[in-house]
Amino acid sequence: GDSVTQMEGPVTLSEEAFLTINCTYTATGYPSLFWYVQYPGEGLQLLLKATKADDKGSNKGFEATYRKETTSFHLEKGSVQVSDSAVYFCALSDQSGNTPLVFGKGTRLSVIA
Amino acid sequence: DAGVTQSPTHLIKTRGQQVTLRCSPKSGHDTVSWYQQALGQGPQFIFQYYEEEERQRGNFPDRFSGHQFPNYSSELNVNALLLGDSALYLCASSFITGVDSPLHFGNGTRLTVT
Repeated sequence: GDSVTQMEGPVTLSEEAFLTINCTYTATGYPSLFWYVQYPGEGLQLLLKATKADDKGSNKGFEATYRKETTSFHLEKGSVQVSDSAVYFCALSDQSGNTPLVFGKGTRLSVIA
Repeated sequence: DAGVTQSPTHLIKTRGQQVTLRCSPKSGHDTVSWYQQALGQGPQFIFQYYEEEERQRGNFPDRFSGHQFPNYSSELNVNALLLGDSALYLCASSFITGVDSPLHFGNGTRLTVT
């Protein structure tokens, strides 16, 4: 079945450092890809998405590019802030978005001042 | 505009008991999905309700059941609780129409089974 693999955490960075969280997927066809973020004590929030190859999703300084050749959707941010500390989940659904989301295990990010 | 609300926020039950969790979707949304998030894991899909019917179901036993009411709110019921049912249960709402209607998640109900 479809699956998502994320880099293991936790990731600890200093403020203003560059962030990369790796995500690769296995799926039939061409899925839609998502990054969700979960702040402490809260539910998940959609951070960004991409629905076809070479699409770049972006939001709040975060970016991820849908790479069909490498089946990847790595999350990047040029300069992290303490407020970015959270758990980040990579997820996929079918291209239409009508199948349930399949999530990775999540990567915890801690940003220190 | 209220987002997705879930109740209760925390719950402690004993093995073998039954539990009901509740969810009110974001205003205007017609579809409710339930996910189980075990500690340190990503959410796993339990089932989805639309028009008061279960439309899709994940790999969960029949002990897990649900309901959707005419006002689109939903309940998740778990019978014969096991220790392994301890988790954060997330409700998410959306429109039925797919990728352009992303899921909006509630803050979850933390269920502890002792």
